[in-house]
Amino acid sequence: GDSVTQTEGPVTLSEGTSLTVNCSYETKQYPTLFWYVQYPGEGPQLLFKVPKANEKGSSRGFEATYNKEATSFHLQKASVQESDSAVYYCALSGLSGGSNAKLTFGKGTKLSVKS
Amino acid sequence: AQTIHQWPVAEIKAVGSPLSLGCTIKGKSSPNLYWYWQATGGTLQQLFYSITVGQVESVVQLNLSASRPKDDQFILSTEKLLLSHSGFYLCAWSLGGREQYFGPGTRLTVL
Repeated sequence: GDSVTQTEGPVTLSEGTSLTVNCSYETKQYPTLFWYVQYPGEGPQLLFKVPKANEKGSSRGFEATYNKEATSFHLQKASVQESDSAVYYCALSGLSGGSNAKLTFGKGTKLSVKS
Repeated sequence: AQTIHQWPVAEIKAVGSPLSLGCTIKGKSSPNLYWYWQATGGTLQQLFYSITVGQVESVVQLNLSASRPKDDQFILSTEKLLLSHSGFYLCAWSLGGREQYFGPGTRLTVL
């Protein structure tokens, strides 16, 4: 089956520093890749998706490039803010069971940003 | 604009008691619907999905069942709760695209 492996947390950074969360995946299908963000007590929010290899997705200053050759999709941000503190999930969607666009999530990376 | 509502917000239940959690989507016609479970501090695991009213497919077996009685409603239930059912239950929707949008979740504590 599909699998996603991402940077083990927690990650603690100071405001203004850069962030990289590594994500690698395994699938026999042609996936669409996502980054989701989850704040305490809330459901995950879609940060962005990238459906095509070698394309970049971005939102709120975060970005990631779908590297099909390396099967990677690392999340980056040049300068984090305290409001970026949350849990970040890498996920992939491959069609399975007919019409089920099943999302497979990584274990999540908890980011804490200190002012 | 679409809205997704889950009820209740939180539940505390005894082992062996029944459970019913609900999810309603407004503003979207015939969405695909999903139930996910998240252990405290853990990742998300898909439990069920539904493409249309009356049809629900199980992805994992956790002694839970799901039903879709209306186009905009998805119900998760069990007749007998286990301690292992504790966690955060999330409903999600999509419109055939691969991205899924999640509701606010229901926190379940089984004692």
